[in-house]
Amino acid sequence: KQEVTQIPAALSVPEGENLVLNCSFTDSAIYNLQWFRQDPGKGLTSLLLIQSSQREQTSGRLNASLDKSSGRSTLYIAASQPGDSATYLCAGGGNKLTFGTGTQLKVEL
Amino acid sequence: DGGITQSPKYLFRKEGQNVTLSCEQNLNHDAMYWYRQDPGQGLRLIYYSQIVNDFQKGDIAEGYSVSREKKESFPLTVTSAQKNPTAFYLCASGPGVSNQPQHFGDGTRLSIL
Repeated sequence: KQEVTQIPAALSVPEGENLVLNCSFTDSAIYNLQWFRQDPGKGLTSLLLIQSSQREQTSGRLNASLDKSSGRSTLYIAASQPGDSATYLCAGGGNKLTFGTGTQLKVEL
Repeated sequence: DGGITQSPKYLFRKEGQNVTLSCEQNLNHDAMYWYRQDPGQGLRLIYYSQIVNDFQKGDIAEGYSVSREKKESFPLTVTSAQKNPTAFYLCASGPGVSNQPQHFGDGTRLSIL
């Protein structure tokens, strides 16, 4: 059974810093890897989806990579802003997703 | 605007009561999903449906029931058999192909009176 882990559980950085969020998974046969953002009391917003045949995806200041052989994905956020403060979740799978527990990010002025 | 609407935003349940959470989507998606989120935990799949009139149990289906009579609607009933129902419930939909992301509603927070 696929298990997804995210470390650290919480992260606080000053504005403008580049940062990396980590996601690891146990089954390298993962179909897709998705990154989501969740604001307090809200649903999830899809940020990036990396298909199993891809190694990375980029959207604006966000870049996500996927290394199936090592069971890892990273989400890189460039030039962080206070508006980036949220919980970031990764999820692996196809139609059925297995979620990590998330990293709570705070970007301070 | 296309999206997913969950209602109510907050819901309270009495002992022995069944409650139903509503989820409606106008994205013309075939697949719909119900997740439960507890503090400090990731989302866990309760039920999912890939087509009208068909649904499958997820990882934690006990104490829950669903129906999928219309493509747009996927209501979740939390029955009295669910002994620990307090959680944040999220509904999602997707086109049913794995290379497209799921879209989420804003959730329903269920508490026990």
